[in-house]
Amino acid sequence: GAVVSQHPSWVICKSGTSVKIECRSLDFQATTMFWYRQFPKQSLMLMATSNEGSKATYEQGVEKDKFLINHASLTLSTLTVTSAHPEDSSFYICSAATRQGSYGYTFGSGTRLTVV
Amino acid sequence: AQSVTQLDSQVPVFEEAPVELRCNYSSSVSVYLFWYVQYPNQGLQLLLKYLSGSTLVKGINGFEAEFNKSQTSFHLRKPSVHISDTAEYFCAVSGGGGTSYGKLTFGQGTILTVHP
Repeated sequence: GAVVSQHPSWVICKSGTSVKIECRSLDFQATTMFWYRQFPKQSLMLMATSNEGSKATYEQGVEKDKFLINHASLTLSTLTVTSAHPEDSSFYICSAATRQGSYGYTFGSGTRLTVV
Repeated sequence: AQSVTQLDSQVPVFEEAPVELRCNYSSSVSVYLFWYVQYPNQGLQLLLKYLSGSTLVKGINGFEAEFNKSQTSFHLRKPSVHISDTAEYFCAVSGGGGTSYGKLTFGQGTILTVHP
């Protein structure tokens, strides 16, 4: 089945530094990927939608200069949290639209970001 | 716009008892409906999905759900739960846009706790 690999699983960084999170589709081409943020004991909130070769579409209230999304190939999308602050600490999850078989979405395993 | 309401934030149940997790949605267009399970610090795993056809959908791990268009509901059921079913469950909806991949909108989540 479709597999999405997300790396790293967890990361701790100092306030003011940048962190890059990678999301790879291992056995299929993902033309569309989604990035979500999940606060403790809360649901997933969509941050942005990225399409291969074009600029990401950000949801209202999400700072595009802070959360840089790059989808340069059909198998890789990256989310870079720039100048991270403690309030950016959260669980970030990527998802790829799955074109194999029937309509669906495959999720990565998530990245726990802690900014200290 | 579309929205999802999971009517119970927490559902405690004893092992081998039946369980129903309730989900209602609202949308101005036809929808695709999904149930996902999330274990702590992990991504989401698809349990089942409704795209079209039979309103009773069977998924993995003995779960099933019934799409009820008139009541705009998509409740998840399992006739006999196990300790290993303890997790958080999310109902989600996307616009049924044919080959286009619409955004997934998630409910608030239901924490299912199975007691021995």
